[in-house]
Amino acid sequence: EPEVTQTPSHQVTQMGQEVILRCVPISNHLYFYWYRQILGQKVEFLVSFYNNEISEKSEIFDDQFSVERPDGSNFTLKIRSTKLEDSAMYFCASSESRRRGNQPQHFGDGTRLSIL
Amino acid sequence: AQKVTQAQTEISVVEKEDVTLDCVYETRDTTYYLFWYKQPPSGELVFLIRRNSFDEQNEISGRYSWNFQKSTSSFNFTITASQVVDSAVYFCALSEVQTGANNLFFGTGTRLTVIP
Repeated sequence: EPEVTQTPSHQVTQMGQEVILRCVPISNHLYFYWYRQILGQKVEFLVSFYNNEISEKSEIFDDQFSVERPDGSNFTLKIRSTKLEDSAMYFCASSESRRRGNQPQHFGDGTRLSIL
Repeated sequence: AQKVTQAQTEISVVEKEDVTLDCVYETRDTTYYLFWYKQPPSGELVFLIRRNSFDEQNEISGRYSWNFQKSTSSFNFTITASQVVDSAVYFCALSEVQTGANNLFFGTGTRLTVIP
């Protein structure tokens, strides 16, 4: 069964450094998402991406964050000048249909980001 | 504004007992989707079910069943004959259609522990 893959599984970064989290969505999917889960808390929406542009973004997704689909397969989340509070599990997800809300979002296994 | 409430923070049951996880939601949309996701100790998010707001039929899939009641804005999840492998955090989530957003709003999750 096709799946969303995320790399790396764990990223340790010094505070103030930039980090790029990578995702390969399911190949025929059109919508891509990033979510964040701070340890022990709920999963929070960051951003959705469709047709090479951001569709929606939450209050969390400020100028520190950016997303990109640099080629036909990868979908990246860049965090500039990381802060301690950026430590979290970051999930990438993708969904198939253009019909909003209709198709389930399939999640990758997550990247655990630890800021020191 | 949308909201998903999972009032049960933690539940423990003995193996083979039935358990119901509660989910109550709030939305102004008349068209929306509800989801359940499972997060086992390994951390990934596993899609379990999607239900749209026009389909109030209950669903059974093996040991899992879901009870969607629009009148009470609830979408409860029952596991019958629980097994140790069911131990996980279970998240209920909402996706609104009319707002145009496709992102998921998650509840805070219910941690289920099945004791052998």
